[in-house]
Amino acid sequence: QVQLVQSGAEVKKPGASVQVSCTTSGYTFTGFHMHWVRHAPGQGLEWMGRITPNSGATKYAQNFQGRVTMTRDTSIGTVNMALSDLRSDDTAVYYCAREGSYDDLDHWGQGTLVTVS
Amino acid sequence: QSVLTQPPSVSAAPGQKVTISCSGRSSNIGNNFVSWYQHLPGTAPKLVIYDNYKRPSGIPDRFSGSKSGTSATLDITGLQTGDEADYYCGTWDSSLSNGVFGGGTKLTVL
Repeated sequence: QVQLVQSGAEVKKPGASVQVSCTTSGYTFTGFHMHWVRHAPGQGLEWMGRITPNSGATKYAQNFQGRVTMTRDTSIGTVNMALSDLRSDDTAVYYCAREGSYDDLDHWGQGTLVTVS
Repeated sequence: QSVLTQPPSVSAAPGQKVTISCSGRSSNIGNNFVSWYQHLPGTAPKLVIYDNYKRPSGIPDRFSGSKSGTSATLDITGLQTGDEADYYCGTWDSSLSNGVFGGGTKLTVL
C-alpha cells in the first residue's frame, strides 16, 4: 500500500532554516508529482509547491518564492522540503501529499509540526 | 483571503443532509478538476471526492460531489457524529500556476 512517512517535529528560532523529509513506499516514486501543503493554527490549508520526482522540476507558490526549496532523491524514494528565514507565522504542520490522476492529493504523509519560537 | 470561497461553518442534525459550497473562477474551478478533503484535528487531510464527483475506495456513498461552471458542491447525507471535521475544496489555478484551496468549512453534527 502507498505510504508517505515524514520526519519528526522540529523547533527552530526565527531566521533559521528547517528541512522536512517525506519517505515513500508502495508505488513507483517517479510516476507521481509530490506536493507540500501546510496548516497553520487557526488557518486553512495552504499549498506551498510541488516537485516532479522524475525530473526534479519544481513549482512554488508565490508566497514562498525565494524561501522554499524542494528536492528529491530517487535512489531512496524521498522528497525534501526546506524553508529558510523562518518567522513565527511559519509555525504549522507541514504535509507531503502525492498527486493523483485528476490533480487531487490522494495520499498524505502524517504531518510534521514545525514550531518557530 | 483564499482563492476559493467556502462558508466558514455548516451544521445539521444526525441523519440529515448538509451541503458545502465552493466558489471560484474560470481559471480554477471552471477549467480544472475539483477535489474535496476531510480534515480531522491531529490527523492528515483525507481525500473524499476527486474529479469533481468521484469517490476514492472506502469513502461511503453518503459523500457526493458536483460541479457547475465556477462552483462546486459537496453533499453529505445521513450525517454521523464521525463526519464532524473541517472540509476543504481544492483545485489547480491555471492563471496562478498554483494549487489552491478554499478557506475550509467546519461541519458540526448537532
